[in-house]
Amino acid sequence: AQKITQTQPGMFVQEKEAVTLDCTYDTSDPSYGLFWYKQPSSGEMIFLIYQGSYDQQNATEGRYSLNFQKARKSANLVISASQLGDSAMYFCAMEDSNYQLIWGAGTKLIIKP
Amino acid sequence: DAGITQSPRHKVTETGTPVTLRCHQTENHRYMYWYRQDPGHGLRLIHYSYGVKDTDKGEVSDGYSVSRSKTEDFLLTLESATSSQTSVYFCAISLGGGTDTQYFGPGTRLTVL
Repeated sequence: AQKITQTQPGMFVQEKEAVTLDCTYDTSDPSYGLFWYKQPSSGEMIFLIYQGSYDQQNATEGRYSLNFQKARKSANLVISASQLGDSAMYFCAMEDSNYQLIWGAGTKLIIKP
Repeated sequence: DAGITQSPRHKVTETGTPVTLRCHQTENHRYMYWYRQDPGHGLRLIHYSYGVKDTDKGEVSDGYSVSRSKTEDFLLTLESATSSQTSVYFCAISLGGGTDTQYFGPGTRLTVL
């Protein structure tokens, strides 16, 4: 069965440092997509970045980049130069074989001033 | 921001009563989704729709029904609410299915006493 695992329930990071949030996935499909979303304390789900399994280059969106290692089945989110506003829950999700998203349990990131 | 609204935003109800949650979009997106979010589980798909009157079940559909009579509206009904359905419910939309990005509404917090 397809599965997403986020092994870090919580993280504390000093402001302005880079952050890596881990995500590993399990699928036997050759074609799939991976997403990262941010959920601040206000509750909304905000799309951050997408990586397709056939994309040759790692996805980047501003301060967000995706460290995609296909052989290891990992899709870690990297946030450069963290800011206080980055404090939030972060979710990794994968499109499954039925074209639906399955989600990890999330990582709570707290940025310290 | 995608034009997605959910109503009500908060609701407290009693076990055994019917409840209907509404999702409304102004983006004319074909796909609409209902998720529930519980601590430790990330998001789980309840039902989704791929067009007017076209719906299908997700991972946790028992006890829920949906209807989509117009492109812009997707209704989630709990026929007889139970305490296990206390959760935060999110609606999402996407232009297409699969790897098309899903954009989320603000969520509805439902408490069943």
